[in-house]
Amino acid sequence: DAGVIQSPRHEVTEMGQEVTLRCKPISGHDYLFWYRQTMMRGLELLIYFNNNVPIDDSGMPEDRFSAKMPNASFSTLKIQPSEPRDSAVYFCASSTGGFQPQHFGDGTRLSIL
Amino acid sequence: GQNIDQPTEMTATEGAIVQINCTYQTSGFNGLFWYQQHAGEAPTFLSYNVLDGLEEKGRFSSFLSRSKGYSYLLLKELQMKDSASYLCAGTNNAGNMLTFGGGTRLMVKP
Repeated sequence: DAGVIQSPRHEVTEMGQEVTLRCKPISGHDYLFWYRQTMMRGLELLIYFNNNVPIDDSGMPEDRFSAKMPNASFSTLKIQPSEPRDSAVYFCASSTGGFQPQHFGDGTRLSIL
Repeated sequence: GQNIDQPTEMTATEGAIVQINCTYQTSGFNGLFWYQQHAGEAPTFLSYNVLDGLEEKGRFSSFLSRSKGYSYLLLKELQMKDSASYLCAGTNNAGNMLTFGGGTRLMVKP
């Protein structure tokens, strides 16, 4: 069974550009999570969805960040405009909820120059 | 807040036993998960506790005391491949949302 699939694996772009990160959760998983990991702040939850509906977006840093889940098999995290401080590894994870483990994708390593 | 604290780094010897502690504020969390993360890779699930007590899974065990806001991960018969970061994460009441601690970087030496 395929795991969580994220793309791209690496992204290097200049400050001010729009960045779009993509995620395909494990089939049958009702919950999808977006995390950001940095050395300074560790692994932080940005937003999570249940049945394609955003449930908690309190971790989204600011209005430059937005996330969508148009259907059960696809989600995007968009940063517009990007800034150097957005440089981090962004992970997507999915689960069936209710104390079941979250399964993480391989992450997108984002560098904003 | 919902602070979760764990040591930043630990060192242990191959073949030994190591215990990685995690403490948290008791309000707001209803269970505790442990994940392993090798450098440059994604976190992978190890173990979780919803009830007090010890959960054993092969060389890995995890313990939880909800009243004390305390958990630990016990790794036995350490192998070099166990060198990684170990993240503890508290769950909300529904068990579907995780708040991660900063992680403990474990170095296993020969």
